Amino acid sequence: AQKVTQAQTEISVVEKEDVTLDCVYETRDTTYYLFWYKQPPSGELVFLIRRNSFDEQNEISGRYSWNFQKSTSSFNFTITASQVVDSAVYFCALSEEYNQGGKLIFGQGTELSVKP
Amino acid sequence: DAGVIQSPRHEVTEMGQEVTLRCKPISGHDYLFWYRQTMMRGLELLIYFNNNVPIDDSGMPEDRFSAKMPNASFSTLKIQPSEPRDSAVYFCASSTLYTETVGYVVGNTEAFFGQGTRLTVV
Repeated sequence: AQKVTQAQTEISVVEKEDVTLDCVYETRDTTYYLFWYKQPPSGELVFLIRRNSFDEQNEISGRYSWNFQKSTSSFNFTITASQVVDSAVYFCALSEEYNQGGKLIFGQGTELSVKP
Repeated sequence: DAGVIQSPRHEVTEMGQEVTLRCKPISGHDYLFWYRQTMMRGLELLIYFNNNVPIDDSGMPEDRFSAKMPNASFSTLKIQPSEPRDSAVYFCASSTLYTETVGYVVGNTEAFFGQGTRLTVV
């Protein structure tokens, strides 16, 4: 069965620290997508990244980077030099339905608190 | 594009009343999703449509919940009668398939979410 696990419920760091949010997924499909979304205190869900199962290249976008490892079924997210504005709940999600619009299975989320 | 638009943003209603949540997807998107977010269950898919047709409603909790998509630019989620346990944030999202070459579908885009409707049933 498909499942996304974010074992860290809450993380608290001090500004400028690096922080990694863990995501482990389960799927029987060979073709799937992985996502990260950010939910700031205002409540909306903001897309951060999409990765398909054929592309294991790590990605860097500014202070954000993602490490996708199929061997361990993990898709971890690292924020370098964290800032107070990074405080939010971060969700990892899995979509198994290739070419079907992509209904998402979400992890429980990790609440990140960055203190000044 | 204005993004996915949901209304109302907040709704407070009494138990037993009918509640209707509304969603306007991004123009050109042919998939529409309704999600619910609660502390206990997190974010869960309720139903999704493709080209206005319901594809998977297995997440709809019970018969009190119904969803429609009469056209490509509008969808509703109705709860009748509402109960306190329906209190949650309801999100609408839309997406489409992306192509690298005209006419050749490559895969799924990300889902774009609306601001959500915070429903409180008292």
